[in-house]
Amino acid sequence: GAVVSQHPSRVICKSGTSVKIECRSLDFQATTMFWYRQFPKQSLMLMATSNEGSKATYEQGVEKDKFLINHASLTLSTLTVTSAHPEDSSFYICSALKRTGTSEQYFGPGTRLTVT
Amino acid sequence: AQSVTQPDIHITVSEGASLELRCNYSYGATPYLFWYVQSPGQGLQLLLKYFSGDTLVQGIKGFEAEFKRSQSSFNLRKPSVHWSDAAEYFCAVGFGTASKLTFGTGTRLQVTL
Repeated sequence: GAVVSQHPSRVICKSGTSVKIECRSLDFQATTMFWYRQFPKQSLMLMATSNEGSKATYEQGVEKDKFLINHASLTLSTLTVTSAHPEDSSFYICSALKRTGTSEQYFGPGTRLTVT
Repeated sequence: AQSVTQPDIHITVSEGASLELRCNYSYGATPYLFWYVQSPGQGLQLLLKYFSGDTLVQGIKGFEAEFKRSQSSFNLRKPSVHWSDAAEYFCAVGFGTASKLTFGTGTRLQVTL
């Protein structure tokens, strides 16, 4: 199998605080993970590519100091939304590449972030 | 830059009817092609993918898709839709190995009984 989990599935935080979202590949190693953001009734927008042991690569327009990504192991990547604001409220989805040499990403179930 | 177009934002079909969801891409080379399905509040589930070879691809849940190079299309089909197929469907393309995916805007499928 190729199962990817995310934790938490839903989080509510106050404006100005930080929140961490975890993405785990449960039964495989993932040297590369991706973080997406999805606004209501819209498509997925790639935020950044997370590579194990190196700095993440951010897409144009994504603030790297606001969305901190850490890929500390072959099974875990974290996204920290720092100093969150209501406009950061969104559905965040991660995906993981099962192995190099393929383009098949396995997606997590997503995390609903609400900033009040 | 590569792009993916799903021209139909919303489609309604009757249960038991056939379905075709359209997807067109723009890129110079043949990309890797995917169809994903997303239920409300959920992540994405891969329906099928095309990397190379036979241009007619079979997927899960009775779905299939056909890659047509001349039309830069990868349309998703199902001969008989079930009420449980109601969801959002995304076409995506990737270029090269371990590559980023570009998603279409999605097509919301509604199934009437």
